Amino acid sequence: IVMTQSPATLSVSPGETATLSCRASQRVNTDLAWYQQKPGQVPKVLIYAASMRATGIPARFSGSGSGTGFTLTISGVQSEDVAVYYCQHYNSWPLTFGPGTKVEIK
Amino acid sequence: EVQLVESGGGLVKPGGSLRLSCAASGFTFRNAWMGWVRQAPGKGLEWVGRVPSEAAGGTTDYAAPVKGRFTISRDDSKSTLFLQMSGLSTEDTAVYYCTSGSVLVDFWGQGTLVTVSS
Repeated sequence: IVMTQSPATLSVSPGETATLSCRASQRVNTDLAWYQQKPGQVPKVLIYAASMRATGIPARFSGSGSGTGFTLTISGVQSEDVAVYYCQHYNSWPLTFGPGTKVEIK
Repeated sequence: EVQLVESGGGLVKPGGSLRLSCAASGFTFRNAWMGWVRQAPGKGLEWVGRVPSEAAGGTTDYAAPVKGRFTISRDDSKSTLFLQMSGLSTEDTAVYYCTSGSVLVDFWGQGTLVTVSS
């Protein structure tokens, strides 16, 4: 299953909403996670099961979608959200990540 | 506190071999699925493979690019995960992360850099 993400880079002003898209080449139901990788850090899980926030993740992060199309929304982007965001399906092996969306602050 | 500490990375020539280790602590290692994820410099994330816990049973899974060249193993008595890599090519140059979790990565090590170059 090939994962694609768009856009490759997203530049947003603080307080704006960022919408990141992820598409799977085959249906993965809701077996979809989003990871955040800040500069110089290891990734961490934000969202699993397409829409469930991981423990400790702020409510401004939300996920939606099922099947082949998914969205990560960051409502009220903050400077600390500068990162690369990866989606990953876990419907079957091999598990695959998308290429990532880099979020920048204007 | 969960800790995953990788070691064994370094510079290796094309065609060479390398063995990575990951020392785990802070959780019941024998009950955990473990794996390896790699990230080429400036690039995205790629699952290398995963090994089930003894209790879960099943087989070790490998990504297509490494199948037949890489072997993941574990020593539950020492809470250590291994990645034996052979037939290395420049395309295997990456930071290799030790991970826990069967389908999602719950915890990551800090990574060890493997550079394949002549």
